[in-house]
Amino acid sequence: DQQVKQNSPSLSVQEGRISILNCDYTNSMFDYFLWYKKYPAEGPTFLISISSIKDKNEDGRFTVFLNKSAKHLSLHIVPSQPGDSAVYFCAAIILGFQKLVFGTGTRLLVSP
Amino acid sequence: DAMVIQNPRYQVTQFGKPVTLSCSQTLNHNVMYWYQQKSSQAPKLLFHYYDKDFNNEADTPDNFQSRRPNTSFCFLDIRSPGLGDAAMYLCATSRTHAETQYFGPGTRLLVL
Repeated sequence: DQQVKQNSPSLSVQEGRISILNCDYTNSMFDYFLWYKKYPAEGPTFLISISSIKDKNEDGRFTVFLNKSAKHLSLHIVPSQPGDSAVYFCAAIILGFQKLVFGTGTRLLVSP
Repeated sequence: DAMVIQNPRYQVTQFGKPVTLSCSQTLNHNVMYWYQQKSSQAPKLLFHYYDKDFNNEADTPDNFQSRRPNTSFCFLDIRSPGLGDAAMYLCATSRTHAETQYFGPGTRLLVL
């Protein structure tokens, strides 16, 4: 049972344009969401997070939007840069429980 | 720099030959996690320690064991590796269960 889903395995974007990565979840108990970025041969690196009591969190070029009614979150990268090319994992957790649940990842390719 | 370190980065073992992967952290975090990630899949939590308290996921095979001799170190022991255990093994830490997890670079295990 995949509680966190990233339905797009890959995304290609031109440098300077917006990248939008999507994530859907099924468990309404999740109350904290995170995005991780992973380069080949490296571990995931924390990027940005959002609490379920918010609908938007922004950090520089990265913004995460949360739509609780739709059980959907998205990561916007503006402007996209070639160095953003990586696999992006969406993850969710129920605070007070131990388990971080990951999606399967979306591979982003930003071309010059 | 405070960090999560995994050694070795690449490990080759033979079918059925015990292998140990190591993780150390300089973050002084209370919680340490072990994840298994197979190609194109989400990282899957195997178990975690909160201080010395060990928590095993229900579907983690008995073949996988873990030790945490002190705050800084955590080991993953695979008693009799099978071909299906070839994967990337990720160690992560967090200050508490409710806080962001920080990952090491991973150990890629190959079973011959």
